[in-house]
Amino acid sequence: GAGVSQSPSNKVTEKGKDVELRCDPISGHTALYWYRQRLGQGLEFLIYFQGNSAPDKSGLPSDRFSAERTGESVSTLTIQRTQQEDSAVYLCASSFRAGPQYFGPGTRLLVL
Amino acid sequence: GQNIDQPTEMTATEGAIVQINCTYQTSGFNGLFWYQQHAGEAPTFLSYNVLDGLEEKGRFSSFLSRSKGYSYLLLKELQMKDSASYLCAVRDNDYKLSFGAGTTVTVRA
Repeated sequence: GAGVSQSPSNKVTEKGKDVELRCDPISGHTALYWYRQRLGQGLEFLIYFQGNSAPDKSGLPSDRFSAERTGESVSTLTIQRTQQEDSAVYLCASSFRAGPQYFGPGTRLLVL
Repeated sequence: GQNIDQPTEMTATEGAIVQINCTYQTSGFNGLFWYQQHAGEAPTFLSYNVLDGLEEKGRFSSFLSRSKGYSYLLLKELQMKDSASYLCAVRDNDYKLSFGAGTTVTVRA
């Protein structure tokens, strides 16, 4: 595709509910990354997929967070039993091997 | 781990030049990136340095000194649309990016 796409663009949920965020990377990009950005703060690395290698999950803040990727295509980030501190923009990026990362528009998550 | 420092805010006049410094202390290094982020939008890629020296790209230039753990982004002929946050990011040996907190640049007429 022309760029990284993410859905939904906005999500409002109640505390305790599960949410699933989707990312479609740029076609042909081998690597996919998830970041979190809280209001007024920098980007926080969550997880990284590279081809068929085991993902780097070192940034996931708790076991409520998980992510999957099918081959070199779509990825989903799942947050279980959401908490108010999970409210943030969740950004997905993709790159071709060691090239620059290109970001999607993000999903704005609000947990009430 | 990675420690990346950049100034919080800078203000400059339209048409002027602004230099945003970034210093880093990292456990691994495989390139330094600069991104621009307008309020409420996703970061967009500006430049990339993996070797020492200056990379020029139109009005934007980026410099890297690996021995000093130092980079800067130079914005020339500032325009109002350049008002944004500028993010310095270091890639480690496993291709993971660590971001600084960002520098908010305000361009005034």
